[in-house]
This record gives sequence, structure tokens and C-alpha cells, in this order.
Amino acid sequence: NAGVTQTPKFQVLKTGQSMTLQCAQDMNHEYMSWYRQDPGMGLRLIHYSVGAGITDQGEVPNGYNVSRSTTEDFPLRLLSAAPSQTSVYFCAARRGKDSPLHFGNGTRLTVT
Amino acid sequence: GQQVMQIPQYQHVQEGEDFTTYCNSSTTLSNIQWYKQRPGGHPVFLIQLVKSGEVKKQKRLTFQFGEAKKNSSLHITATQTTDVGTYFCAGRGVGETSGSRLTFGEGTQLTVNP
Repeated sequence: NAGVTQTPKFQVLKTGQSMTLQCAQDMNHEYMSWYRQDPGMGLRLIHYSVGAGITDQGEVPNGYNVSRSTTEDFPLRLLSAAPSQTSVYFCAARRGKDSPLHFGNGTRLTVT
Repeated sequence: GQQVMQIPQYQHVQEGEDFTTYCNSSTTLSNIQWYKQRPGGHPVFLIQLVKSGEVKKQKRLTFQFGEAKKNSSLHITATQTTDVGTYFCAGRGVGETSGSRLTFGEGTQLTVNP
């Protein structure tokens, strides 16, 4: 039982490139979300999903897209990378709206 | 929108000293969760508080939820080097029915000098 798996662990992009951060969970949890973590700013919600086929925006959604075609997978797409998107990205899953978040190990992204 | 503020941002203590971090919300919370993130790691769930005035203990850690459900605290007694990390609070506002907009505080980074 791996929990939440994120790939890759590290990524360097040039400005303007696109890429997809992968997130998969094997806990059959309905709720999944993406956070970015920047120094001194805690964890900010990018996008979230309450079930397959349902996604919504968090507090910092600009420049990112998500989809949720299955319960297990919740990829995050960067459409045209910018230096402001340099951050550590965490994917998380939870059973219900007041359940604990289970985080993946994170992806450290640098945009030059 | 809902804001959750956490103080202090940094705390350095000598091993054996106590430590407290405080969390304050701009709105009434349905519940509050606490997470710990070790350096280089990911946040790990510690505890959830739901009731007004609730106090929960986990060994040397004591968690409190304010009477008005707008503030919370985490107190560590006699810190150890294993307590090093960043402690986050996260709350869901009473008006946030979807449950997915869990708002995190900025975190308190604790370092412990042996």
C-alpha cells in the first residue's frame, strides 16, 4: 500500500515549457488536491477534486490545469512554465471532507 | 476569504525547553487539523480538533481548540531533537461546505539545539 505517489521528485524546466506532474493514490479516496509550498507561505491550494470527473479551483489556480478521469489519478499540468512557478508541489488525498490529508513526497520544480 | 495566521514563524529552543505555536483564523472553523513536516519531507497529520474548547494530548504534545473555534495552539513539553520540523495548522471554515478548501497557516519552524 503505497498511499500517494508523486512523480517526478525533481524537475527543471525552461520558461515557456509545459509538463505534467503525476499523482496517483491507491487508497480509493474521493478527495484529491494539489498544493504548492513556498518559504514563509505555508501550503496554498491550487486545484482540488471531490471525485472522478469533478475538479475545481483553489486559491492559486492560474497557470495550472487538472483533470480527474479516474479515482486513482490526479495529474497537474503546467501550461507554460514561469519562474514564479518554482516551488515544491504536493499532492494529497483524503477519504472525506473532514478526514486527514495524506500527502505524497512532493515534486521540487525549478523554472529557469 | 478565510485566512489562517500562525505565530511565531520561527522558534529556536534548547533541548528540554517548552515550545508553543499559535493559530488564529479570521472566521469560525468547523474543525482544525495539525500537521508536522520534517526538513525535506512532506506534511504528516498529527491530530484533529472539532469541539469548542477541546484539549487533546499525544505524549508531550498538547493541542487546544479555542472556545470560539477561531484559534488553536500546539504545546510541546520538554522538546527533543526529534521534534525538529515545521508545524502547520489547517482549518475548514463553517461556511465551506465542500470540505476541500482546507486553509493552511504559514507554519512554525522549530529548531532544537541539543
